[in-house]
Amino acid sequence: QSVLTQPPSASGTPGQRVTISCSGSSSNIGRDTVKWYQQLPGTAPKLLIYVNNQRPSGVPERFSGSKSGTSASLAISGLQSEDEADYYCAAWDGSLNGYVFGTGTKVTVL
Amino acid sequence: QVQLQQSGPRLVKPSQTLSLTCAISGDSVSSKSAAWNWIRQSPSRGLEWLGRTYYRSKWSNDYAVSVKSRITINPDTSKNQFSLQLNSVTPEDTAVYFCARLVGDTVDYWGQGTLVTVSS
Repeated sequence: QSVLTQPPSASGTPGQRVTISCSGSSSNIGRDTVKWYQQLPGTAPKLLIYVNNQRPSGVPERFSGSKSGTSASLAISGLQSEDEADYYCAAWDGSLNGYVFGTGTKVTVL
Repeated sequence: QVQLQQSGPRLVKPSQTLSLTCAISGDSVSSKSAAWNWIRQSPSRGLEWLGRTYYRSKWSNDYAVSVKSRITINPDTSKNQFSLQLNSVTPEDTAVYFCARLVGDTVDYWGQGTLVTVSS
């Protein structure tokens, strides 16, 4: 059902850098900005990155985003235990005329 | 600070109608810069956008193709809220349902989520 493709899991030890990829198409990532969300168990997703690489107020600088063509990535530098969560990318899809999400990546802090 | 508070039944029988409401504080359902959305999440379908309602010079709706024949999203300006109705539900519609605000091309605020189970 999900239109954007992410790896199912990623992991790292505290302090390491972890990156998560998000692959889309010309109708979504290729034409719209990319958003990233963090979801802790039992809670709603929280906006982490918008307009490809912008952080809302309160989001730590260790979270960064980038986009190239029809793909995007989220990087977490200096991984911390509280970063253990599910992460989703998202974009507006012009062909579907709807908001589409990634398959989600579970980040584990070893 | 925008807050979205969801309410509605958590158990719905197959073939009946799922109804949820989202009360808005800190913004207006009639805002000309926002759209008001419903999104659901299930293990089998992941995060799935269902549709939105928004006001510019008139009220408009957009719905996901997967539910277009069964869904209605309505604003209630008197109570500053909006609602979801999903008809003819099946167990496949069991999911956590979220209301959310879309500004520009970004969903920024979410409701707390409501687990709705479709079962007899």
